[in-house]
Amino acid sequence: GDSVTQMEGPVTLSEEAFLTINCTYTATGYPSLFWYVQYPGEGLQLLLKATKADDKGSNKGFEATYRKETTSFHLEKGSVQVSDSAVYFCALSEEGNKLVFGAGTILRVKS
Amino acid sequence: NAGVTQTPKFRILKIGQSMTLQCTQDMNHNYMYWYRQDPGMGLKLIYYSVGAGITDKGEVPNGYNVSRSTTEDFPLRLELAAPSQTSVYFCASSYSDVGAFFGQGTRLTVV
Repeated sequence: GDSVTQMEGPVTLSEEAFLTINCTYTATGYPSLFWYVQYPGEGLQLLLKATKADDKGSNKGFEATYRKETTSFHLEKGSVQVSDSAVYFCALSEEGNKLVFGAGTILRVKS
Repeated sequence: NAGVTQTPKFRILKIGQSMTLQCTQDMNHNYMYWYRQDPGMGLKLIYYSVGAGITDKGEVPNGYNVSRSTTEDFPLRLELAAPSQTSVYFCASSYSDVGAFFGQGTRLTVV
């Protein structure tokens, strides 16, 4: 079945550093791709999405581009803040809109 | 607009007890889901529903049951609770391909 693989964490960065969290996927069709963020003690929040190849999703300074040729959807941010510390999940939606999640990547940003 | 509401937020069960986790959404979404999140792990799909009266198994359905009598409600039933069901449970809803909205979660401990 479809699957999502994320880079293992935790990722520890200093404030204002550049962030990349890698995400690759396996799918038989053409899924939509998502990044979710989970702050401590909370549920998941949709961060950004892309529904077709070469689409770029962006929100709150984060962005990710749907790369069909490399089956990737890497999350990037040019300058992270302490408030970005959270767990980030890459996900895809397959038939029936079922979301398949990666294992999550913990991001820690130090001031 | 409340979004997705889960109750209770916390619960401790004894082995063999039963309980129902409640989930309701006020966005008129067709799709609803139940996920469990174990410590340090991603989310695993338990059950999902594509509309009232229709439910289907996800990746880890054993030990759980669901029903979808209305568009708004999607309760999850645990029969004969076991320590392996200690987890954080998330309900989510979605419409078409816009991404899912999650509740705040229910932290369940089985002792």
